[in-house]
Amino acid sequence: GEDVEQSLFLSVREGDSSVINCTYTDSSSTYLYWYKQEPGAGLQLLTYIFSNMDMKQDQRLTVLLNKKDKHLSLRIADTQTGDSAIYFCAEFTGGGNKLTFGTGTQLKVEL
Amino acid sequence: DAGVIQSPRHEVTEMGQEVTLRCKPISGHDYLFWYRQTMMRGLELLIYFNNNVPIDDSGMPEDRFSAKMPNASFSTLKIQPSEPRDSAVYFCASNFVREPTDTQYFGPGTRLTVL
Repeated sequence: GEDVEQSLFLSVREGDSSVINCTYTDSSSTYLYWYKQEPGAGLQLLTYIFSNMDMKQDQRLTVLLNKKDKHLSLRIADTQTGDSAIYFCAEFTGGGNKLTFGTGTQLKVEL
Repeated sequence: DAGVIQSPRHEVTEMGQEVTLRCKPISGHDYLFWYRQTMMRGLELLIYFNNNVPIDDSGMPEDRFSAKMPNASFSTLKIQPSEPRDSAVYFCASNFVREPTDTQYFGPGTRLTVL
């Protein structure tokens, strides 16, 4: 079955790098996503990676994908207070156009 | 485009009352999703539609919940009768499956409190 897991909390200091990890179980995933949810708001797509890629970089964001271990990570360089939010990873397997979301990681950025 | 629009943004009601949540997807999108978010259960997919037809409602918790999509620009999620355990944030999302990334675009959510 499909199951996406994340650690619940991460606390970092402003200016440091943040690394948010995610594990998934469906090896047929075609796309994997990172969404950000700010307080009181809906989820907003941050970035995505196609399953035939190992890495994708987009400004301060770096996504790493290890298909062998079914492990996805999101690195945020130079983390700012505005990055404080809940981050969800999600996988799309193509069956029925559904996304399976992880439990979400709450990132707290301290001064 | 204004994005996915949901109304109301907040709803407070008493147990036993009927609650109707509304969603307007992004114009041109052919999939619409209803999610529920709680602290205990995280983000759960309740039901989704393709071209106004319900495709998978296996996430709908019980018969008190129903969803309709009478046309491509409007959907409702109804709870009748509502119970305190239905208190959650309900999100609507839409997408256009032929986009390369198949990403879903979320509305701002409706925070429902059932007293």
